[in-house]
Amino acid sequence: AQTVTQSQPEMSVQEAETVTLSCTYDTSESDYYLFWYKQPPSRQMILVIRQEAYKQQNATENRFSVNFQKAAKSFSLKISDSQLGDAAMYFCAYRTTNTGNQFYFGTGTSLTVIP
Amino acid sequence: DAGVIQSPRHEVTEMGQEVTLRCKPISGHNSLFWYRQTMMRGLELLIYFNNNVPIDDSGMPEDRFSAKMPNASFSTLKIQPSEPRDSAVYFCASSVSSGNTIYFGEGSWLTVV
Repeated sequence: AQTVTQSQPEMSVQEAETVTLSCTYDTSESDYYLFWYKQPPSRQMILVIRQEAYKQQNATENRFSVNFQKAAKSFSLKISDSQLGDAAMYFCAYRTTNTGNQFYFGTGTSLTVIP
Repeated sequence: DAGVIQSPRHEVTEMGQEVTLRCKPISGHNSLFWYRQTMMRGLELLIYFNNNVPIDDSGMPEDRFSAKMPNASFSTLKIQPSEPRDSAVYFCASSVSSGNTIYFGEGSWLTVV
């Protein structure tokens, strides 16, 4: 089974600074999708960014970008110009394209933004 | 467009009572997921439906848990009898099976006392 590992349970960043959250995954598949979800204190799960494994170009959504290293099975999230509203739990997720279209989530990284 | 709709948002119940959580997926989505989130275990997949058929229920903790999807627009997760250790946030999520993004509801906060 695929596994998703987030090795940083907690991270902090100064407001307006940049922070990078790490994620690694284990798979034998060549085609899949990767995601970062944000969960603020309200507990709602919000899609931040997604990456298709067949695309070499790193996905970008405004202040959020990823560093996708397929060979290393690494998928880090960079948040630029951090804002207080970025404080949340961030989950990395993997989706297989095989039968079942299963999703696998990491254990999350809690991000604190310091004013 | 309406997102994934879950009810109730919050429920407090006594141990031994039956709990039913409800979910309406996004229209046109044919994959539905039930997740449970706790501090100890994080986000756990309980069961996954595709075209109303349960595909993977290996995450259902025990026989006290059951899930149904009688049609494409409705699913239930039932706990009977409930126990304090079932206290958690239960998320329903949906996606297009051939697509790539999963959309979550706002969650049902369950407290069993």
